[in-house]
Amino acid sequence: NAGVMQNPRHLVRRRGQEARLRCSPMKGHSHVYWYRQLPEEGLKFMVYLQKENIIDESGMPKERFSAEFPKEGPSILRIQQVVRGDSAAYFCASSAGTSGRETQYFGPGTRLLVL
Amino acid sequence: GDSVTQMEGPVTLSEEAFLTINCTYTATGYPSLFWYVQYPGEGLQLLLKATKADDKGSNKGFEATYRKETTSFHLEKGSVQVSDSAVYFCALFDNNDMRFGAGTRLTVKP
Repeated sequence: NAGVMQNPRHLVRRRGQEARLRCSPMKGHSHVYWYRQLPEEGLKFMVYLQKENIIDESGMPKERFSAEFPKEGPSILRIQQVVRGDSAAYFCASSAGTSGRETQYFGPGTRLLVL
Repeated sequence: GDSVTQMEGPVTLSEEAFLTINCTYTATGYPSLFWYVQYPGEGLQLLLKATKADDKGSNKGFEATYRKETTSFHLEKGSVQVSDSAVYFCALFDNNDMRFGAGTRLTVKP
């Protein structure tokens, strides 16, 4: 019974490169959430997706960031032309639904370092 | 909008001391409340949760009671261990929106 999986666990990029972060939700979960945790800060919501749909992207920067959750395969958080300020831990969570009572289960995170 | 406020850290305690980490919330609806724990270098793990007023969540010796009258969900443990050293996040889920507190770093010294 695998939990939420994220890869890579660590990612190093130079300024201007692209970063792709992957998240496979728990089996049976069709809702995925991405969060960013800046050093010494709390978690900040970025985006909420269901299969093939973005439900809420109010926490995502308007430029350079995009997310998808295709019908097949993992959810992808994509950061284009990375800058040093993008260095953070990015966590994915999944849930079975959104009645307000389901728990979100978190992956181990991807730690992005931009040089 | 909804928000979560938890006590600022860091908190340093000796082993076997009593722990309280305060958490209060504001919400327009009837949120579910959670405590997550993040051990060094790891992702978040659900510690406990409560889905309605007066519910008590408990796990690994930690407890928190959903107090609607005081809009609080304080985390407590009677006797902490060195292995409890981590960052603790209070969170609420309401209207398809998850909000986290800033996290409280706990260090337990032997």
